[in-house]
Amino acid sequence: AQRVTQPEKLLSVFKGAPVELKCNYSYSGSPELFWYVQYSRQRLQLLLRHISRESIKGFTADLNKGETSFHLKKPFAQEEDSAMYYCALRSNQAGTALIFGKGTTLSVSS
Amino acid sequence: DSGVTQTPKHLITATGQRVTLRCSPRSGDLSVYWYQQSLDQGLQFLIQYYNGEERAKGNILERFSAQQFPDLHSELNLSSLELGDSALYFCASSVDLKAEAFFGQGTRLTVV
Repeated sequence: AQRVTQPEKLLSVFKGAPVELKCNYSYSGSPELFWYVQYSRQRLQLLLRHISRESIKGFTADLNKGETSFHLKKPFAQEEDSAMYYCALRSNQAGTALIFGKGTTLSVSS
Repeated sequence: DSGVTQTPKHLITATGQRVTLRCSPRSGDLSVYWYQQSLDQGLQFLIQYYNGEERAKGNILERFSAQQFPDLHSELNLSSLELGDSALYFCASSVDLKAEAFFGQGTRLTVV
């Protein structure tokens, strides 16, 4: 089965601390992975996708096929990073839909 | 603004009723996806259309149906509504099957 697991519902950190949001996946073949962010009362926005290898708003994510992980990292958290973060996998069984994890709420306080 | 428009933004209706949610994709986008977001289940894929044809089904109940029209807008029909159908319903669109999906603001459905 194709599945995305985000083990933490909530991650609370202080401003300036490093952040790591965990994502593990189950997929046979070469996965296509994404991180989406949803700020309060706003739509989901694409943060990054593994094939582009970009760094957006200081966030990076590396695909580790051995550990089937795609953790999202930022060295120094900012208060404006507080949001819900979703890891997603592009399905090859349900059309080309994205399969989302349950999300992790990141709370950054000063 | 992602360019994906969903109407209405909010909808309150009674159990047993039927509602229609509308999605206008970004100009030029051929693929439309519908998702349901609830507190306990997170974001669940419901159904995908591509250029007017159903492409894939996810966890969509038989009481729910959708279609994509020749102008590429899409509608999600929810019938015999139950309290548990209360959720945020998102539409997303992409220019083709492999491109980035852009999400609308969602329709918040409350069934009372």
